[in-house]
Amino acid sequence: ETGVTQTPRHLVMGMTNKKSLKCEQHLGHNAMYWYKQSAKKPLELMFVYSLEERVENNSVPSRFSPECPNSSHLFLHLHTLQPEDSALYLCASSQSRDRNTGELFFGEGSRLTVL
Amino acid sequence: GQNIDQPTEMTATEGAIVQINCTYQTSGFNGLFWYQQHAGEAPTFLSYNVLDGLEEKGRFSSFLSRSKGYSYLLLKELQMKDSASYLCAGTDSNYQLIWGAGTKLIIKP
Repeated sequence: ETGVTQTPRHLVMGMTNKKSLKCEQHLGHNAMYWYKQSAKKPLELMFVYSLEERVENNSVPSRFSPECPNSSHLFLHLHTLQPEDSALYLCASSQSRDRNTGELFFGEGSRLTVL
Repeated sequence: GQNIDQPTEMTATEGAIVQINCTYQTSGFNGLFWYQQHAGEAPTFLSYNVLDGLEEKGRFSSFLSRSKGYSYLLLKELQMKDSASYLCAGTDSNYQLIWGAGTKLIIKP
């Protein structure tokens, strides 16, 4: 138990569906992140939120839309995805956005399959 | 460009010692993280090295050489539960995390 909970753990969707991934952290952290993890590739940072404000958006296609309603919750809204978007989506949190001050706490991920 | 290199896969025997290497090239450098990720689970923090040298934490140790752009994770007295992927990540001058692709460690009896 890392203090970061992601739902759903598994999701299968068609290319025309709309779905959302949810992340909740119980650690009182101020920064939250979405990462994409594909087999045999480095983790890809998608979005960073600090104190509920989006501070980074690493050239992610608009079919991925993040939302951070408060410092404990983070969503990733998915719409008209492509098969190459199939991957493990990891949520993480840290004390602050300055990642040098402490480690990231990850959720177990949402395994997404796009048909 | 920025790059982290680590072996894709390693195999070791229960009870033995294994060293997982990581080399990095970053725009500036502030420190290096090691994470462990069991299949289907969250990556979890193992160590963070800022200064040169070896830091020991029980059966796991992490080494850093800033001049050589090199780090390793040393696992002693290997147990079957150590079978996992080990992720190396460096922080650049902007404290951005640069990740390696991970090393899958297979422990055999």
